[in-house]
Amino acid sequence: EAQVTQNPRYLITVTGKKLTVTCSQNMNHEYMSWYRQDPGLGLRQIYYSMNVEVTDKGDVPEGYKVSRKEKRNFPLILESPSPNQTSLYFCASSLGGSNQPQHFGDGTRLSIL
Amino acid sequence: GESVGLHLPTLSVQEGDNSIINCAYSNSASDYFIWYKQESGKGPQFIIDIRSNMDKRQGQRVTVLLNKTVKHLSLQIAATQPGDSAVYFCAENGETSGSRLTFGEGTQLTVNP
Repeated sequence: EAQVTQNPRYLITVTGKKLTVTCSQNMNHEYMSWYRQDPGLGLRQIYYSMNVEVTDKGDVPEGYKVSRKEKRNFPLILESPSPNQTSLYFCASSLGGSNQPQHFGDGTRLSIL
Repeated sequence: GESVGLHLPTLSVQEGDNSIINCAYSNSASDYFIWYKQESGKGPQFIIDIRSNMDKRQGQRVTVLLNKTVKHLSLQIAATQPGDSAVYFCAENGETSGSRLTFGEGTQLTVNP
């Protein structure tokens, strides 16, 4: 089954403790992206990757890092999480860019205390 | 600045009626538009997309209309069913590089039996 898988689905942690949210897709998609979703603000793009070893900042990249060492994986790294990063995070992928339909994972709810 | 927004944050319809969800955008350079449906606890699901060289596109029970003159996008759902209850997002790709997608804030559609 074609899918985007995120882990963990839920995480409660404390300020400053490094964490990684993994994202994997099995569709051989070149484009992958991370979004955060907050009430009243909709989905905002954090980082995206057009292909392996190619990553770029989205609209809200501060406090986040990403890597794209393999086509299927696109982890989101919070080196020193802060409470304002408490949010619902979505990973997405598409065949060739954001001008094609993106497949989304089911989300990761992060709470930073 | 660039913005994608929705005229109505909530829409309530009777089962069997047609629904129309509206979206305004401000970036005249946008060349790709897409509608997503998000059910509670899930990631956004692709519904339908349209490119700027078209003004109408139809899918199964859904139609997207694009009016570039007034920068307006709409999603029409025919014979709305309870399973259509969800939050609907429009999004635009404002860059010709095909790398970034900007989402609207979403409209909550409720279908009453």
